[in-house]
This record gives sequence, structure tokens and C-alpha cells, in this order.
Amino acid sequence: ETGVTQSPTHLIKTRGQQVTLRCSSQSGHNTVSWYQQALGQGPQFIFQYYREEENGRGNFPPRFSGLQFPNYSSELNVNALELDDSALYLCASSLAGRGAAQETQYFGPGTRLLVL
Amino acid sequence: QKEVEQNSGPLSVPEGAIASLNCTYSDRVSQSFFWYRQYSGKSPELIMSIYSNGDKEDGRFTAQLNKASQYVSLLIRDSQPSDSATYLCAAMNRDDKIIFGKGTRLHILP
Repeated sequence: ETGVTQSPTHLIKTRGQQVTLRCSSQSGHNTVSWYQQALGQGPQFIFQYYREEENGRGNFPPRFSGLQFPNYSSELNVNALELDDSALYLCASSLAGRGAAQETQYFGPGTRLLVL
Repeated sequence: QKEVEQNSGPLSVPEGAIASLNCTYSDRVSQSFFWYRQYSGKSPELIMSIYSNGDKEDGRFTAQLNKASQYVSLLIRDSQPSDSATYLCAAMNRDDKIIFGKGTRLHILP
């Protein structure tokens, strides 16, 4: 167990709806990264939050947004869901400062989202 | 070239043999490299990290990093059926973000 939790574990939505996924970081970790993993693919970096501010973003449209709270828990919000958003969404927490050269991440169990 | 590349497999190895998993990377990644194991339907779990050229051993696992040739590999000695999983190679890019390859499926044959 990594100490990183995510909710819900599974979710079914329809196209056009909005979804919020939640992540609770490992105790003491101040950085959270979100990834999307489609079937048969590696995790794709969505964005990272460090001390409540966005600290880098991957190649995802603005309808993917996030928040990090003072207790370092985090949310991923996706608006106007599309069929291709169906995937496993993973959050990973770590302890790092900005520009840290070495960073080990620990993943939560993931939320499996199905968009119909 | 993608930042981190892996052969998707599947790689089939007899039980007890050495499994060798390889990964190449581009100039866009930095000096930190990671191997994760992911069982079907589960999240990735960290096996090893490696930052310097050479070998790093942990139990049955050995990570090898060759910066001149831009590859990193993972050797699994005495392969067990429980080692059957997808192995993800990851590296930190120049924006200090961890980027993953597609993963290699490993199947240990009993």
C-alpha cells in the first residue's frame, strides 16, 4: 500500500457530462500528478500540482482542470466528457520542491472512468 | 522520437530464466529513471529507480543505465509466474515531470 487513495474506484458517465475525481496524497507529500491511462497504453501526464499551484501540464485540453487543497488532497475535473476520455485515471504523490531533479512517485489505485 | 520508448511485447520467458526488459529514451529526458510494475487492472507500483550509469541491484531485480547509448534496462533473475505483468519504464523530462513508456507485457511460462 502506498498511502495514496482515490475515489471513486469506478464511474460511468455519458458524453457531455462533467466528472470530478479525487485523490488523497501520502502523508507529508506536497506534490500530486495526474495521469490518464488508456487500455494497453502507458500513463499519459495530464498535470501536476505543487503546493496548490499548477506546476506543469501535458498535452490535454482545458476541459481537464485540477485543484490541490491546503491538506494536499487533489481533484481532477473533466468537462464535456467525450468517449475517448474512457480510461484509468491515476494520481501519484511525491515529496519534491520545484525543479527537484529526483522525484519518486507513488500511485493511488486509480479511478476507472467509462464514458457512454 | 518519443521521450521514452519500449517494445510492447509480449515477452515470454520460461520460469527460472532471466527476463530482460529494455527501454530507450530521447535527449528530452533527464537523469532520473524508474521501473514500475503494473498488474492487470491495478495501478503501477515502483520497483526501482536509477540515476547513475551502471547497475543497481535489489533482490532479483537489476536496473542498468547507459547514458551514452540512452537506454535503461531491467533484469529479473529466477523469473516467477508472479512476475507476469506489464513493466513500465519512466523518466524525468527536462520540465521535471515523469514520463512513461507504453509498457512491455511480460509473461512467465510455468
